[in-house]
Amino acid sequence: AQSVTQPDIHITVSEGASLELRCNYSYGATPYLFWYVQSPGQGLQLLLKYFSGDTLVQGIKGFEAEFKRSQSSFNLRKPSVHWSDAAEYFCAVALYDAGNNRKLIWGLGTSLAVNP
Amino acid sequence: GAVVSQHPSWVICKSGTSVKIECRSLDFQATTMFWYRQFPKQSLMLMATSNEGSKATYEQGVEKDKFLINHASLTLSTLTVTSAHPEDSSFYICSANPGQGAISRTYNEQFFGPGTRLTVL
Repeated sequence: AQSVTQPDIHITVSEGASLELRCNYSYGATPYLFWYVQSPGQGLQLLLKYFSGDTLVQGIKGFEAEFKRSQSSFNLRKPSVHWSDAAEYFCAVALYDAGNNRKLIWGLGTSLAVNP
Repeated sequence: GAVVSQHPSWVICKSGTSVKIECRSLDFQATTMFWYRQFPKQSLMLMATSNEGSKATYEQGVEKDKFLINHASLTLSTLTVTSAHPEDSSFYICSANPGQGAISRTYNEQFFGPGTRLTVL
């Protein structure tokens, strides 16, 4: 069955430090992969997505992610974290269900805290 | 572009009443809309997928008669929580998919509304 795993439930980093959030997926076909951020009390915002082509994807707010098919991973990175990056981060993969509807399968999320 | 709105943003109701939540795609036509439920500090749980003009497809374990979904137009879907009880209290989020006719870069992408906080007393 298709699934998305975010191994780290909670991560704390110091402001200015680098960040890597892990995401592994299980999906037989070529995946469409996404990273979303959810700040407290706010809606989901798309950080970046991978559909095809260059496996290193640049997103908003200085984030990037690298698709590695051999490792079934799509890890999110940022070279220098800002206090405003503290939020919940979700990895997701898009697929088609039996009714040919596009659906997103979500990871459980990683909560990021940033120390000043 | 690709803005999705939800109304209301929060609602408090008495147990036994029904609550309707609207989801609108403001600047695009959405052939497919999705309804999610999110519990505190948890991931999103897909409740149902609705295609314009047809019945919604509910995920396993979601009560169809409890959560009524209508997708009457390409820009509006509604979720009605019928006979709400305290356990229905949650954060409900909708998303919309532009579909194959949209700009190619948005294909397979869902655009999310800001969510509706429902509290049932």
